Amino acid sequence: QKEVEQNSGPLSVPEGAIASLNCTYSDRVSQSFFWYRQYSGKSPELIMSIYSNGDKEDGRFTAQLNKASQYVSLLIRDSQPSDSATYLCAVAGGTSYGKLTFGQGTILTVHP
Amino acid sequence: GAVVSQHPSRVICKSGTSVKIECRSLDFQATTMFWYRQFPKQSLMLMATSNEGSKATYEQGVEKDKFLINHASLTLSTLTVTSAHPEDSSFYICSAGRTGRGTDTQYFGPGTRLTVL
Repeated sequence: QKEVEQNSGPLSVPEGAIASLNCTYSDRVSQSFFWYRQYSGKSPELIMSIYSNGDKEDGRFTAQLNKASQYVSLLIRDSQPSDSATYLCAVAGGTSYGKLTFGQGTILTVHP
Repeated sequence: GAVVSQHPSRVICKSGTSVKIECRSLDFQATTMFWYRQFPKQSLMLMATSNEGSKATYEQGVEKDKFLINHASLTLSTLTVTSAHPEDSSFYICSAGRTGRGTDTQYFGPGTRLTVL
């Protein structure tokens, strides 16, 4: 079982729709959770970090964390073509303190 | 802000040569820096963790004698790929953990694309 799993997609949504990206992790004592966006040929860019159960909103982005289910998600409201990228879920803390463990990434395509 | 720079952004070299990549945190001090490698259509693979003033910790399977890491100050870490070969061609990305906020929030540099002929 992979430590951090994401649906690789591609996920295709129309412009203006909500894109929902999901991630599960195996290390139950993980403490920090991140979503990064990576455009083709570029390095990852931090979008959201979340540390506590529940929702965290930042503009059009909402991260949701459920530690009991070992599940973290990212919702993108009013999706734009510029949101088309690979979204990486990353987990830190627990047995790998200080290091990030990345999922394989979900490719999101927002079509006009 | 939390800005991390890398230099060079792109390098092409002949097989057998060594290549040095610099990673700098521009507006904060980074106790810990991380070096990743990413092959096409794959996720990031952590190569090593670099702490200022001490030896780097390498991930399993990463040759420490081939990938030399130096973290001389709180704002600079370097990765030297020694005797590079075509299979070392990849996208190398550094990240910096922000001191005082714990090292788990990492800010990434723009990456260095290495092509070994």
